[in-house]
Amino acid sequence: SQQGEEDPQALSIQEGENATMNCSYKTSINNLQWYRQNSGRGLVHLILIRSNEREKHSGRLRVTLDTSKKSSSLLITASRAADTASYFCATEGGGSQGNLIFGKGTKLSVKP
Amino acid sequence: ETGVTQTPRHLVMGMTNKKSLKCEQHLGHNAMYWYKQSAKKPLELMFVYNFKEQTENNSVPSRFSPECPNSSHLFLHLHTLQPEDSALYLCASSQEPPRGGGETQYFGPGTRLLVL
Repeated sequence: SQQGEEDPQALSIQEGENATMNCSYKTSINNLQWYRQNSGRGLVHLILIRSNEREKHSGRLRVTLDTSKKSSSLLITASRAADTASYFCATEGGGSQGNLIFGKGTKLSVKP
Repeated sequence: ETGVTQTPRHLVMGMTNKKSLKCEQHLGHNAMYWYKQSAKKPLELMFVYNFKEQTENNSVPSRFSPECPNSSHLFLHLHTLQPEDSALYLCASSQEPPRGGGETQYFGPGTRLLVL
């Protein structure tokens, strides 16, 4: 299985601090995506990084990918209370096996 | 919210009931998905439809029966469910089906299902 495994499972920080979440996976991938889920709601796509990319930015988000270590990190800078949510990485393999495989997620709590 | 709607948002049913979940996407996408999200477990892909044709059935029990009458609508028919089927059922869509090319999936808000 190329399931992503996020860590930590839960993270609690103060507003203004940075939050870093990590994802590890098991097999080769074509790309890795990060999604966010507010409690009991659907997932929202945040950012995609392809296997030939090492770093990508989108606003306050920074994603890195290390294919040699089969890991990715999501950094949220200057966090806000509204960033409170669960964050999931999802890996997509190659060829016909392109279905997204999600991890269990990191539950982030940002205290005002 | 995201162009993908799901009804009902909440559903309580007995093990002998038959109910259906509905999903509609207003994004003009060609692929649609059903996922199951249980507490403390990763999101599980159940079914994938591409241009109304089922392309993936991820070993889902036959008490879950999908239907895709057109590329905008997706149903999940439920019958004789078990309490362990209680979960959040999420529908998603993407422009193209997954082929390793990095398609973004757009999710609905989900149906919270409780089986008594």
